Amino acid sequence: EAGVAQSPRYKIIEKRQSVAFWCNPISGHATLYWYQQILGQGPKLLIQFQNNGVVDDSQLPKDRFSAERLKGVDSTLKIQPAKLEDSAVYLCASSFGPGLGSEQYFGPGTRLTVT
Amino acid sequence: SQKIEQNSEALNIQEGKTATLTCNYTNYSPAYLQWYRQDPGRGPVFLLLIRENEKEKRKERLKVTFDTTLKQSLFHITASQPADSATYLCALGSNSNSGYALNFGKGTSLLVTP
Repeated sequence: EAGVAQSPRYKIIEKRQSVAFWCNPISGHATLYWYQQILGQGPKLLIQFQNNGVVDDSQLPKDRFSAERLKGVDSTLKIQPAKLEDSAVYLCASSFGPGLGSEQYFGPGTRLTVT
Repeated sequence: SQKIEQNSEALNIQEGKTATLTCNYTNYSPAYLQWYRQDPGRGPVFLLLIRENEKEKRKERLKVTFDTTLKQSLFHITASQPADSATYLCALGSNSNSGYALNFGKGTSLLVTP
């Protein structure tokens, strides 16, 4: 079974520029998550989708971050404009459902460096 | 505020010994707890899940305990191997207002030497 795909793997941008990340979850997984992992920290949930609806975006900095999941499959996460503190790895994960304790499958992440 | 604390120092052990990693939490009532493994440059990989009404779970060389009174989970790797060297993340889940949110600790780095 193919895993969670993410692209690009690496991105370097200057502050105030915009950037977008793409994620393709495991086929049949209804729930999709975007996490931010700063070096030395655990992943922090930014947004959770159930099919194409947002379930939880309480920790998404909505003044600069946006995400969508059209058609309930692929998802994109955008940052506009980027700040230095956005330098991190952005992880996408998916699970079969949002049910209690659903195992999450993570992609390899996109390492973003903002200079 | 809610806190999830894992061993801040890296854990170095000799091959064949049992590694024990700790996850403590405060101001939290998790419905379940998960452990993940993360290798450098890769996403976390799910290892084990334990629910609040369970005391212990095992999977091959892995064992997890969950003590909701002490607010602590212990993760054991028996007969450790150099291939077990990685960062191990503890994640707590609860039924939030809108979904089953998962909150991660910072992780503990484990190094198993031959």
